[in-house]
Amino acid sequence: KAGVTQTPRYLIKTRGQQVTLSCSPISGHRSVSWYQQTPGQGLQFLFEYFSETQRNKGNFPGRFSGRQFSNSRSEMNVSTLELGDSALYLCASSALGPGTGTQYFGPGTRLLVL
Amino acid sequence: SQELEQSPQSLIVQEGKNLTINCTSSKTLYGLYWYKQKYGEGLIFLMMLQKGGEEKSHEKITAKLDEKKQQSSLHITASQPSHAGIYLCGADIGMNRDDKIIFGKGTRLHILP
Repeated sequence: KAGVTQTPRYLIKTRGQQVTLSCSPISGHRSVSWYQQTPGQGLQFLFEYFSETQRNKGNFPGRFSGRQFSNSRSEMNVSTLELGDSALYLCASSALGPGTGTQYFGPGTRLLVL
Repeated sequence: SQELEQSPQSLIVQEGKNLTINCTSSKTLYGLYWYKQKYGEGLIFLMMLQKGGEEKSHEKITAKLDEKKQQSSLHITASQPSHAGIYLCGADIGMNRDDKIIFGKGTRLHILP
């Protein structure tokens, strides 16, 4: 079984731009969760999608949004980028959700905002 | 203050020694998760604990949940170089749609050969 894939792996943007990150879960998994990891704040939960619906979300501004498609692939969008958005963005897939069983993480997308 | 405290922040142990990492929540726990991260890489899910007193093992790693103390401990027996990395605990602390899933700051584990 193929693992969780994230694209792109690395990205450089400038302040004010927007960015879209993609996550393809393990085949058959319906839950995709997104996380932001920075040296200062550590790992923080962004949101979770299950069967195309946002089921949980963390305390992030509305500039951070996401969606999930019918094939369970998920995208995360950040608009009006700020320097503080530089981070490793991780997605994780699971069959039914983060609280129900094993989560499988992708390698992450490293975003640098200049 | 941090809602999910991990201790110690870093740990250096001799190969073959046992060690324990603790994770304490200031909120009621509805689920507690342990992850491992190799430096600069993605996360590996280790295990999930949901019931008080629950104990799970994965190879030489054992985690236990003390619901009353709102605390979990991760114990590694006979540590090996492959155990080196950052151990993170995460927790579900709410039941509503906008509940929070939070994480500790991590424990950096170094194993000396």
